[in-house]
Amino acid sequence: DVKVTQSSRYLVKRTGEKVFLECVQDMDHENMFWYRQDPGLGLRLIYFSYDVKMKEKGDIPEGYSVSREKKERFSLILESASTNQTSMYLCASSPPGPRRSPLHFGNGTRLTVT
Amino acid sequence: AQKVTQAQTEISVVEKEDVTLDCVYETRDTTYYLFWYKQPPSGELVFLIRRNSFDEQNEISGRYSWNFQKSTSSFNFTITASQVVDSAVYFCALMNSGYSTLTFGKGTMLLVSP
Repeated sequence: DVKVTQSSRYLVKRTGEKVFLECVQDMDHENMFWYRQDPGLGLRLIYFSYDVKMKEKGDIPEGYSVSREKKERFSLILESASTNQTSMYLCASSPPGPRRSPLHFGNGTRLTVT
Repeated sequence: AQKVTQAQTEISVVEKEDVTLDCVYETRDTTYYLFWYKQPPSGELVFLIRRNSFDEQNEISGRYSWNFQKSTSSFNFTITASQVVDSAVYFCALMNSGYSTLTFGKGTMLLVSP
């Protein structure tokens, strides 16, 4: 079974802090993703990566950056946290190829910015 | 651009009732993939089904069934004889042929009461 692990389940940070959300997958997947989930808005794609050191912007990248130094790890960075970044953050991974495999999601990190 | 619409924000049923969750999608691609995910109160997104755009055959899996109709751009999900454990938020999602990213609908919260 694919395991996608997000380092924190709950996180509370102050406005202006630099925040790191970590995600690790154990299935050697090339593709990794970061989504945020907000009530009434569903899941929205922030960034994704198809390979080490490679990143692509999703639909809502403003205020975020990412890092993929190793294949199994994909980090989401909030350079200067703001209250409107309070949300549930979900990491996912999937294998490459034409089959368009489903994404496997972690349990999420609920971030509160005060 | 692609879009997924789940018009039903919340549905409440009594156990053993049948319930259908609607999903309508928009895409310019001729090849695309549709998914359903379940998110129980624990928060983890659980993959339920993937359907290719060139395969309109409906599918049944136990109490779950899916009705894919390209003519109406819909991919509806029916739960027969609902149970309390079916209570969750259900997401419909779309993946195009180019990237492996998912575009999600806003979700439908299903509450099944005993």
